[in-house]
Formats: sequence, C-alpha cells, structure tokens
Amino acid sequence: GAVVSQHPSWVICKSGTSVKIECRSLDFQATTMFWYRQFPKQSLMLMATSNEGSKATYEQGVEKDKFLINHASLTLSTLTVTSAHPEDSSFYICSARKRDRGLGYTFGSGTRLTVV
Amino acid sequence: LAKTTQPISMDSYEGQEVNITCSHNNIATNDYITWYQQFPSQGPRFIIQGYKTKVTNEVASLFIPADRKSSTLSLPRVSLSDTAVYYCLVAAEGSARQLTFGSGTQLTVLP
Repeated sequence: GAVVSQHPSWVICKSGTSVKIECRSLDFQATTMFWYRQFPKQSLMLMATSNEGSKATYEQGVEKDKFLINHASLTLSTLTVTSAHPEDSSFYICSARKRDRGLGYTFGSGTRLTVV
Repeated sequence: LAKTTQPISMDSYEGQEVNITCSHNNIATNDYITWYQQFPSQGPRFIIQGYKTKVTNEVASLFIPADRKSSTLSLPRVSLSDTAVYYCLVAAEGSARQLTFGSGTQLTVLP
C-alpha cells in the first residue's frame, strides 16, 4: 500500500505562535509532497510543492515566509505556520507521491488548525 | 492542466445507482482520470483511476468514452455512508505535477 500519516489531526494555538504539521509516508519513499489548504465548504487549494532535498515551490499568493516547508528526507515533510493569525485557521492536507508508482497520490488525514 | 467540470451537488436514495459525470474537454494524451472521495474533516481517498473505456473495482466503475472528454463515475447501490464530496481529476502518468482540484460534487444519499 501507500500510507501517509499526518500529525497532529487537530491543533489549537494562540495568535502569534507557530505550529508545525508533519506529513510522513509510512511505507514508501516520496520524492514529492504537496500541501493543500481547505476552507469550509470549499475545494482543496494547493499551497506548495516540496521536493526532497530542495526548496519548496509555492503557489501564487502563498507567503513562503509564513508557511515554511521542509522536506529533508524521502519520508517526511513538515509545514510550519509561523506567527499564526485567526485567518490561518483552516484544514491543511498533505499528499505524497510514491517514487516508482506513476501517479500514486496518497493523501494524509488532514490537520484542523484553529488560531484563537 | 486540464480543467474539470462537475455538478455541484446530487441527491440520491439508498440502494440506487449513482452516476457522476465529469467534463474535461482539454485532456491531454498522457493524462489519466482519477476520482477521489472526501468525507468532512478527512483527506481525499482514492476511488478509481482510468485512461479509456471502462474500469471497475470493488467500489465503483469508471466509464470513459473514446474521445476522453468526459468520464462517469458509477457507484452501485449507494448507502448513507457514501454521502461525501467526489472529485474528478486529470493528471499525467509519471508526472510530478500536482493534482488540481475542481469544485467536486457533493453527493447526499437519503434514506
């Protein structure tokens, strides 16, 4: 199979603090991982693409200094929301692509971030 | 990236067959069609993938006409637990290109 574990599943933080979300591919190596954000009743919006060992590519309108992405190994990518504000409250989802599996996109279970 | 168009919502009753059609007029030759299911507060879950004609697995069938400009996801005998949002996506096999999500179809199964 291809399992992606995302942690934590939910987090509440105070405004101005930083929150780190982890995305792990448990049984495969992921050269590429994607981070999405989803607001209530809306579709998933791609935030950034991270490739192992290189800098992430951010979509237009996504602040790279606010949403720090690190993909230091083939099994782990992290998204850090820095200086979080209430408008950053959302559902964050990661996706990983298995190296030798063609499309093979598998999604994590998501992280519900609430900034108070 | 091929854009997809789906109905925003559909209602059905338990036990009925549900067909959700997706339009992707500018699909590229090397694009595959993939459907995902998403429940509230969960990540999308892979349902089925195909390139042409018909594909069937234990949960659904996917019908793709010869011109590949559309596809239909068929869910046999739906139950209340099939209430979810269904997304149709197209992407090239072997590409690191990200999946682009359209609006999806909210399927509501009624008792």
